[in-house]
Amino acid sequence: EIVLTQSPATLSLSPGEGATLSCWASQSVDKYLAWYQQKPGQAPRLLIYGASNRATGIPARFSGSGSGTDFTLTISSLEPEDFAFYYCQQRKSWPITFGQGTRLEIK
Amino acid sequence: QLLESGGGLVQPGGSLRLSCVATGFIFNNYAMSWVRQAPGKGLEWVSAISGSGGETHYADSVKGRFTITRDNSKNTLYLQMNSLRAEDTAVYYCVKVYNTGWAPFDCWGQGTLVTASS
Repeated sequence: EIVLTQSPATLSLSPGEGATLSCWASQSVDKYLAWYQQKPGQAPRLLIYGASNRATGIPARFSGSGSGTDFTLTISSLEPEDFAFYYCQQRKSWPITFGQGTRLEIK
Repeated sequence: QLLESGGGLVQPGGSLRLSCVATGFIFNNYAMSWVRQAPGKGLEWVSAISGSGGETHYADSVKGRFTITRDNSKNTLYLQMNSLRAEDTAVYYCVKVYNTGWAPFDCWGQGTLVTASS
């Protein structure tokens, strides 16, 4: 099983600042990595797929990078609605796995 | 759009069947999965099924107890859950795969809560 480790567990920032979230895979997942955003009481929403491709309707301030085992989700300038939980996910091999999540909170 | 139903309170050892009705896309063109989230916890993939229904995959935690099926004539996905345990308590999401392959998931249902407790 491929284990995804996200860092940090919690990130405290202010609106307007930039955010960098990391996801490390225990073995290579090539570019088969996605990022999701989840707000309390809501289902997750796909942000990024294929490590760097924005999903439909996702603002340009969200970007993804990386390949192999090291991945990054960057939010260039935080909007109030961006404070939420973020999860990475791999589909390189079974079982599909998620990282444990990063909580992005308002400082 | 995906609309789940069938969740509820069940005693440990009991059974439950979840359903998910899909609208707005050609159902049999896409693999589907179930993903769950225990209270206050992260996301856990549970099971996946191909568009035709001929290929299925399960997480080790549910293998042998849960069965995923689909009825393409009814645009409906199912999850039969047997021998339920307390640790199966979670919100269960029905999810659609984006484009080809088995992930990522670009459409999520609202979730249905399953509680296994005496």
